[in-house]
Amino acid sequence: GQNIDQPTEMTATEGAIVQINCTYQTSGFNGLFWYQQHAGEAPTFLSYNVLDGLEEKGRFSSFLSRSKGYSYLLLKELQMKDSASYLCAVRGAYSGAGSYQLTFGKGTKLSVIP
Amino acid sequence: DGGITQSPKYLFRKEGQNVTLSCEQNLNHDAMYWYRQDPGQGLRLIYYSQIVNDFQKGDIAEGYSVSREKKESFPLTVTSAQKNPTAFYLCASKRTAPQGLPQHFGDGTRLSIL
Repeated sequence: GQNIDQPTEMTATEGAIVQINCTYQTSGFNGLFWYQQHAGEAPTFLSYNVLDGLEEKGRFSSFLSRSKGYSYLLLKELQMKDSASYLCAVRGAYSGAGSYQLTFGKGTKLSVIP
Repeated sequence: DGGITQSPKYLFRKEGQNVTLSCEQNLNHDAMYWYRQDPGQGLRLIYYSQIVNDFQKGDIAEGYSVSREKKESFPLTVTSAQKNPTAFYLCASKRTAPQGLPQHFGDGTRLSIL
């Protein structure tokens, strides 16, 4: 089966740093995605990790440890507009017809306060 | 600008009625997906299609049907057999190669029961 765990909610202060964790147990692993989703809107792609280590993209970084089944998204210099849900999604085993199974976590709702 | 267009943004269904949600993309993507999102839940896969005239059931296909007659279009029908259709429906697409590319999402359709 597939299981992805993220905290349900987090609160952080404008200008601070916040780390959103994601742990997973999946049948097969072929990469992990982070998406940002503002309320009532489409998820937008933030980052992709397939090898262990840190990927940095401006204020956002994502880390992966495949041996621990663990990833985190690090947001620096928080801004009010960063208030959103952050979805962790794992690309698991090959499911046939040229497709890999993608399983989403329930998302972490981040509130940034002044 | 290239993108994914979902329509309508809001849809109301009467008892016993079938309704169809539209999804069109001009990104020249081969693969298209339909997800359902409920409050506090992750995205759950309903159907996906890797190529024209072919589609596969996802995790929660019961009560839904799709077609893929054109590369650009992947409409979803919510049938009367779906007893709990109230949810936020998201359509996504992606290129099938190279591996590891993210899915791009439309703005969603919110379906409610009258």
